[in-house]
Amino acid sequence: AQKVTQAQTEISVVEKEDVTLDCVYETRDTTYYLFWYKQPPSGELVFLIRRNSFDEQNEISGRYSWNFQKSTSSFNFTITASQVVDSAVYFCALNDLGGATNKLIFGTGTLLAVQP
Amino acid sequence: GAVVSQHPSWVICKSGTSVKIECRSLDFQATTMFWYRQFPKQSLMLMATSNEGSKATYEQGVEKDKFLINHASLTLSTLTVTSAHPEDSSFYICSARDAGAGYDQETQYFGPGTRLLVL
Repeated sequence: AQKVTQAQTEISVVEKEDVTLDCVYETRDTTYYLFWYKQPPSGELVFLIRRNSFDEQNEISGRYSWNFQKSTSSFNFTITASQVVDSAVYFCALNDLGGATNKLIFGTGTLLAVQP
Repeated sequence: GAVVSQHPSWVICKSGTSVKIECRSLDFQATTMFWYRQFPKQSLMLMATSNEGSKATYEQGVEKDKFLINHASLTLSTLTVTSAHPEDSSFYICSARDAGAGYDQETQYFGPGTRLLVL
C-alpha cells in the first residue's frame, strides 16, 4: 500500500536557522512522483516541487533544497536561513502512477513555526 | 500559470440548505479535478475525482448523493453539498491537473479553498 509519513508534527525555529522537514514514503511501484506543498494560514496549498522516481538529483531553489534518497525512501526538504514568512504547514505527497486511481497520497503535514 | 480559483471563499448557511462551490482552472484546461476536505489541523482527505464529461469517482465513505459533483467543462467543476448539516462544516479544497502540460501533467494545482459553516 502507498503511504507517506511525516513524523515531525510541529517544528519551531528561530529566524535564520536552517530546518529540515522529513518525509518517508512507501510504494511497491517503480514509477511514481513525489511532491511538497506549502499551506500558509490562508489555507491555499502552494506547489513547491515535483520529483519523479527516476530522477534522484537533489534540487535547490533559492533557500529551499530537496534531498531525494530512493535507498531510504525519503524526500526531505530543507529551508536555509528560515524566515517568518516560511511559517506554514508543509505536506509531502506521493502520486503512484502505477496505481489504479492515480491520486495523491498526502502525509499528515508538518507545522513549521518560525519565530522572529 | 496554473492558477485555480474557488468561489465562494467563505459561506455560512442554515442547516438543510444546499451550497454550491465552484472550482475553475483559469489558464489551463483540466480534464481531471479533485475535491478534498480538510478538518482543522489535519491532512487533506480526498472526497472524489471529477472527470470532464463523465461521472465523478467517489472515495469510500463519501456519499455521492450528499456531495454532488459536476464537471461540465474543461475549466469548471462544481461541488454541491446538499441538505447541509453542521457536521458538513469544513474546509473544502479543489485541485486540477493541466491536461496539456506534458511532463507536468501529474502535478495538482490547488484552489484557495472554501470554508463552509453550517449553522
